[in-house]
Parts: sequence; structure tokens; C-alpha cells
Amino acid sequence: SAVISQKPSRDICQRGTSLTIQCQVDSQVTMMFWYRQQPGQSLTLIATANQGSEATYESGFVIDKFPISRPNLTFSTLTVSNMSPEDSSIYLCSVEGPGRNTEAFFGQGTRLTVV
Amino acid sequence: GIQVEQSPPDLILQEGANSTLRCNFSDSVNNLQWFHQNPWGQLINLFYIPSGTKQNGRLSATTVATERYSLLYISSSQTTDSGVYFCAGGDYNTDKLIFGTGTRLQVFP
Repeated sequence: SAVISQKPSRDICQRGTSLTIQCQVDSQVTMMFWYRQQPGQSLTLIATANQGSEATYESGFVIDKFPISRPNLTFSTLTVSNMSPEDSSIYLCSVEGPGRNTEAFFGQGTRLTVV
Repeated sequence: GIQVEQSPPDLILQEGANSTLRCNFSDSVNNLQWFHQNPWGQLINLFYIPSGTKQNGRLSATTVATERYSLLYISSSQTTDSGVYFCAGGDYNTDKLIFGTGTRLQVFP
């Protein structure tokens, strides 16, 4: 299994500002995943972050709004830029075990409220 | 894309009751998993169960991959079982995890 430390755990931000969420894994992983969970909804994949290359974004998500960094095999950040109240969600980072077809592990999540 | 439907969407139980949660997939998936999301938002792995049956204490799960569904059984429920339960499966074409709609469980003393 993997242990993932995600911070901050929660934040309240003013609209128009940006927040950077950090995700640290206790082992080296090839891919890290960022999800958004809007209130009362399921999880939606934002992007996949690979070390040494640009993140791959899902339909409906763009780099200008959700820039991602992946400087090494154990760390990634997601920035939520120019926030509006519609960005209020739980953001989660995730990794999978070694090899293909393995279970996913999640950080504690960041509960973001934009006012 | 693959659709993942969970039922029931909401479930209210008294402590000690048993329950069955269901997860239906519109197409075949790999990496089928069950998670429990606690009130603080953290997702806890319950089962990695692409096929067959597994048990862990009061919880067990069964996946029938050929019929594209999975079941999660909770026996002798406790208030700490409250939260949202998600199933998720991997899309064979993209390897991405697709999450179900969730079942919100409330267990009262």
C-alpha cells in the first residue's frame, strides 16, 4: 500500500485568489491522479500527472485553471486558479500500486470553500 | 464512456442491521474496488475485488465480472459505518478509474 500526505486538509479562500494543494507519497510512483468531488457528487478525474512531462487533462479541465506540477516521483501539486464559488469542492490526489491493474490509494483530501 | 450506477442512493439503518449495496457497470471493467468516504472526506480502501468474494470482518464483497456487477455486504452495522460508499472500476481502454454514483449510509443507535 501507499501512504499519501495531502495538505492543506481544508481552506476557505476569497474568490479570485489561487490555492496550491500538495501531495506527498511515501514511495516512488509513475503516475499521480488528481480528482475533484463537488458537493454531494461522485469523484471526477481532473488530470494525470507524470514525472518529467506535462499533465494530461480530462475533458472539461484546462491547464490554465488547474496547473499541475510533478517535480519528482513522490510529489505533486495542484493549483486551483482564479477561484470562484463553483470551485468549492473536495480535491483528492491518488496513486496506484506498482504494476498494472492494482488498487488505488487516496490522500486525506482538501476541502475547499470559496467565498 | 462507462457508466457506474450504485443502489440504493441513500440508506438509513438502525445499529445492528445488515445491508447490501450494489454496483452495476455498463461495460466490463478491471480493478474493481470499494471505498468508504468518511465524514472528513477521506477515501478508505475496503476491497480490491475484480472478481470473486472477499471478507474483512463485518464487511464482505462479491464481484460477478461476467454480469458486470458487484455487491458490498455490511453486517451488524455500527454508527461508525456511516458515510458514503463508492465503487470504482478501471476502463480497459484508458486504464482510468471510473467512480460510481455512491450510496450514502446513515446508521443510527
